[in-house]
Amino acid sequence: NAGVTQTPKFRVLKTGQSMTLLCAQDMNHEYMYWYRQDPGMGLRLIHYSVGEGTTAKGEVPDGYNVSRLKKQNFLLGLESAAPSQTSVYFCASRYIQDHTEAFFGQGTRLTVV
Amino acid sequence: ELKVEQNPLFLSMQEGKNYTIYCNYSTTSDRLYWYRQDPGKSLESLFVLLSNGAVKQEGRLMASLDTKARLSTLHITAAVHDLSATYFCAVGNSGGGADGLTFGKGTHLIIQP
Repeated sequence: NAGVTQTPKFRVLKTGQSMTLLCAQDMNHEYMYWYRQDPGMGLRLIHYSVGEGTTAKGEVPDGYNVSRLKKQNFLLGLESAAPSQTSVYFCASRYIQDHTEAFFGQGTRLTVV
Repeated sequence: ELKVEQNPLFLSMQEGKNYTIYCNYSTTSDRLYWYRQDPGKSLESLFVLLSNGAVKQEGRLMASLDTKARLSTLHITAAVHDLSATYFCAVGNSGGGADGLTFGKGTHLIIQP
C-alpha cells in the first residue's frame, strides 16, 4: 500500500518554465490538498479538491493551477515559474468522514532559478 | 481569518526533562491535529483532538485541547533523543475539514544527551 505518492521528488526550473507536479493516492480518499512549506512559515494551503472534477482555492493560490480528473490523482501546475515559488510542496489526502486525519506525501523540493 | 500560533518556535532541552509546546488559535474550530516532521521528511500524524477536554497520549507525548481557551498543548515527559523533530499543530479551517488545515509555524525541538 503506497499511500500518497508525489512525482517528482526534486526539480530545478528556470524562471518562466512550466511544470506539473503529480500526486497519486491509493486509499480511495475523497479529499486532496496541495500545501507549500517554506522555512519558518509552516505549511500553507494552495488548492484543494473535495472530489473528482472539483477544485477550490486555498490560502496562497496565485501562480498555480490544479486539476482532479481522476479521484486518485491531483495535479498541481506552475504555468510560468517564479523564484518565489521555490519551496517544498506537499500533497495530502483524507477520507470524507468528519474529523479524520490527512496523510501526506513525501514532498517535492522545487527550486526556481 | 484563522491564525495558529505555536510557542516556542525553537526548543533545546536535555534528555530526561519535561516540557510543553503551546498552540493557540484565533477562531472556533472543532478539530486540532499534531504532526511530527523529521528533517527532509514528510509529516507524520501524532494526535487528532476533537472535543473540549480531549487528552491523548502516546509514549512520552501527551496532547490536550481546551476549545474555550482555543489552546492545545503537547507535553513531553522525560525526553529522549529520538523525539528530536519539528512539531506542528494544525487547526481545521471549517466544520468537516473539507477545506484543509491552517498550520502553526512549527516548534523545532532538539533533545541533547
